[in-house]
Amino acid sequence: QVQVQQWGAGLLKPSETLSLTCAVYGGSFNKYYWSWIRQPPGKGLEWIGEINHSGNTNHNPSLKNRVTMSVETSKSQVSLKLTSLTAADTAVYYCARGSSTVVDYWGQGTLVTVSS
Amino acid sequence: QPVLTQSPSASASLGASVKLTCTLSSGHSSYTIAWHQQQPEKGPRYLMKLNSDGSHTNGDGVPDRFSGSSSGAERYLIISSLQSDDEADYYCQTWGSGIFVFGPGTKVTVL
Repeated sequence: QVQVQQWGAGLLKPSETLSLTCAVYGGSFNKYYWSWIRQPPGKGLEWIGEINHSGNTNHNPSLKNRVTMSVETSKSQVSLKLTSLTAADTAVYYCARGSSTVVDYWGQGTLVTVSS
Repeated sequence: QPVLTQSPSASASLGASVKLTCTLSSGHSSYTIAWHQQQPEKGPRYLMKLNSDGSHTNGDGVPDRFSGSSSGAERYLIISSLQSDDEADYYCQTWGSGIFVFGPGTKVTVL
């Protein structure tokens, strides 16, 4: 059974950088892409981007300039950095597994609040 | 890239069935989608993968009362024997032009 666990700082100030990490247990880490998805309070889901074990990435064009994703295959971990934060980046951030054209496993989510 | 359209809300009585619709934008009617459930104050849960021919595969532990069907550009999620904890937001999702796309979600109320 695949488990996706994630962690990172929950309260940040404007202009700071968000940093989250996601660890995958019990699954074939190398066979899949691993996505980051966010959900502002009371709103819908927005895909940020994805990375695979080789470091190949795809990005949502709306956020591409501020997003960096990385992978540490030996630990089955992926990480997300989002720079130049504003209040509009306040959201729950999810790590999730991409299987071909669908997202099929979700992490528990991390609430990130951007406030001065 | 594809755009997904969903009705904002739906409701049905306890024990009844409800059918949710996700519509793919023009030119994308053959696309496979997924359905996800998000109960209040929880993260999303993957329900199923739904193909254009109506064949579907439920996720781990998803009961058979969740089923799917397709017609043209429309993808349906049918929830039978509604239970109180089916009250949730339901999102459809697809992939196209290198990105994942989500619909706006449908809020289901169990009466």
